[in-house]
This record gives sequence, structure tokens and C-alpha cells, in this order.
Amino acid sequence: NAGVTQTPKFQVLKTGQSMTLQCAQDMNHNSMYWYRQDPGMGLRLIYYSASEGTTDKGEVPNGYNVSRLNKREFSLRLESAAPSQTSVYFCASTVGGAQETQYFGPGTRLLVL
Amino acid sequence: DAKTTQPNSMESNEEEPVHLPCNHSTISGTDYIHWYRQLPSQGPEYVIHGLTSNVNNRMASLAIAEDRKSSTLILHRATLRDAAVYYCILRDGVIQGAQKLVFGQGTRLTINP
Repeated sequence: NAGVTQTPKFQVLKTGQSMTLQCAQDMNHNSMYWYRQDPGMGLRLIYYSASEGTTDKGEVPNGYNVSRLNKREFSLRLESAAPSQTSVYFCASTVGGAQETQYFGPGTRLLVL
Repeated sequence: DAKTTQPNSMESNEEEPVHLPCNHSTISGTDYIHWYRQLPSQGPEYVIHGLTSNVNNRMASLAIAEDRKSSTLILHRATLRDAAVYYCILRDGVIQGAQKLVFGQGTRLTINP
């Protein structure tokens, strides 16, 4: 039982390049989330998916797109990377319910030059 | 979203109890109080949550004020491994499924040997 996995662990991009961050969970959770964390800051929600087939914007969605590929997988795409998107990206999942607990992945460190 | 206020940083000594405060004066009657912590270079992990009554688990205790406008996370005997950023978060218990959580900047806890 791996929990929440993220790939890659680390990535360097040049401004304007695109990439997709992958996230998968093996806990049969319904909801999945993407956060970003800038140095010294708390996490900010980018997008989330309440269930397979649905996605919604979070606090900072601009410059990102997401795909809930199936119940297990939730990907985050940067179409044209900018230096302001340099951050650590965390994926999380929850089973759902009133007292839901979020389980987080190990993070992807992204550097945009 | 209901907000929480936490001190930016706290310091304690190894093997002593630690009390981490959180103010949430605008909490609604259906908000659960959740605590997460983030160890260095890792994703956040769940610690504990509660609604009205004090709660205990193997990691910590949560003391909730009678008026629910504040709460305290208690680490009974801190170890060096408890050095982390601790986040106090409110979650509306009425909403089923996915919900936006606001992490804030949290309290950075330093443990001295």
C-alpha cells in the first residue's frame, strides 16, 4: 500500500516549456487535490477533484490545468511554465465525508528558469 | 472560509510538553478543528481533529475551549522528531466530500536537545 505517489520528484524547466505532474493513490479515495507551497509559506490549493469526472478551481488555478484520469490518478499540467511557478507541488487525497483526513504525497520540486 | 490564527514560531525542549495554540474566533457550529504537521522536506501529515470535546490519540491531544473559539494541540513529551510546522485548519462538517482547506502559515516548532 503506497498511499499517494507523485512523479517526478524534481524537475527543472525553462520558461515556456510545458510539463505534467503525475499523482496516483491506491487507497480507493474519492477526492484528490493539488497544492503548491512556496518557500516559507503554507500550502495553497490549485485545483481539486471531488470525484472521478469532476474538477474545480482552488485558490490559485491560473496557469494550470488538471485531469482526473480515473479514480486513482489526478494530473496537473503547466502549459507554459513561468518562473513564478517555481514551487513544491503536493498532491493529496481523501476518502470523503464530514471528518475527512487528507493524505499527502511526498511532493514534486519544480524549478522554472 | 473561517480563519485561524497561530503564532509564527515556538520553541521547546526535548522531553517536555508542548502546547501549540490556535485561535478561530469565527468558527461556525459545524466546523471541525483539524491539525496537520509538516516535517522538513515532506508533505503534511494528519495529527488529530475534533469538534467539541477534547480528543486524544497516539500522537497528541487536542484541547478545545468551551466556546470553541480557540484550541490547543498538546504534545505530551516532545522529541526531536516533532520539530515541524503545525497547521490548525477548520473544516465544515456539513459539506460531504471534497472541500477547500486553508492551511495558513502554521507554527514552526523547534525542539532543543
